[in-house]
Amino acid sequence: EPEVTQTPSHQVTQMGQEVILRCVPISNHLYFYWYRQILGQKVEFLVSFYNNEISEKSEIFDDQFSVERPDGSNFTLKIRSTKLEDSAMYFCASTGRGTGEAFFGQGTRLTVV
Amino acid sequence: GDSVTQMEGPVTLSEEAFLTINCTYTATGYPSLFWYVQYPGEGLQLLLKATKADDKGSNKGFEATYRKETTSFHLEKGSVQVSDSAVYFCAHFTGGGNKLTFGTGTQLKVEL
Repeated sequence: EPEVTQTPSHQVTQMGQEVILRCVPISNHLYFYWYRQILGQKVEFLVSFYNNEISEKSEIFDDQFSVERPDGSNFTLKIRSTKLEDSAMYFCASTGRGTGEAFFGQGTRLTVV
Repeated sequence: GDSVTQMEGPVTLSEEAFLTINCTYTATGYPSLFWYVQYPGEGLQLLLKATKADDKGSNKGFEATYRKETTSFHLEKGSVQVSDSAVYFCAHFTGGGNKLTFGTGTQLKVEL
């Protein structure tokens, strides 16, 4: 069964450092998303991406965040200067038709120290 | 704004008990409604969906009916198993916003 894969599974970084979270969506999907889940809290939408551009972003997704699809398979989330409050589980998701039937990766746990 | 509210957990049940997890939503337009499940250490998986009023989504013994009049999408299962222990998230999707909006999640623990 096709799946969304994310790397790394866990990343520890110092405050102020840049991190790049990587995702390989399902190959024939066209819509890509990043969500995050702070420990014990709800899953929050960060950004959606379609046709090589951001289609929607939340207020969380400020200038410190960026997304890129550098080639035909990867979808990355970059945080330029991490803050303690960026510590969370980050989930990548993709869909084929821009519906809510999303396939999620297993997540990257980001710990900012 | 758009939101999803679901009952707080944790919910602890004995095996074979009946499960209900309440979910209500607010949304502009006519959203599609979903239940996602997160097993320990894993990502979210789609459990079931309903795309219009009065639709019933079902999967693995779980059911939920899209009630437009009460803006609800309650999850039910007649007889839970230990393997159902997980966190359950109610969500809606609006095409205009192109995003899923999740509730806070309800942790279910099923004991023998």
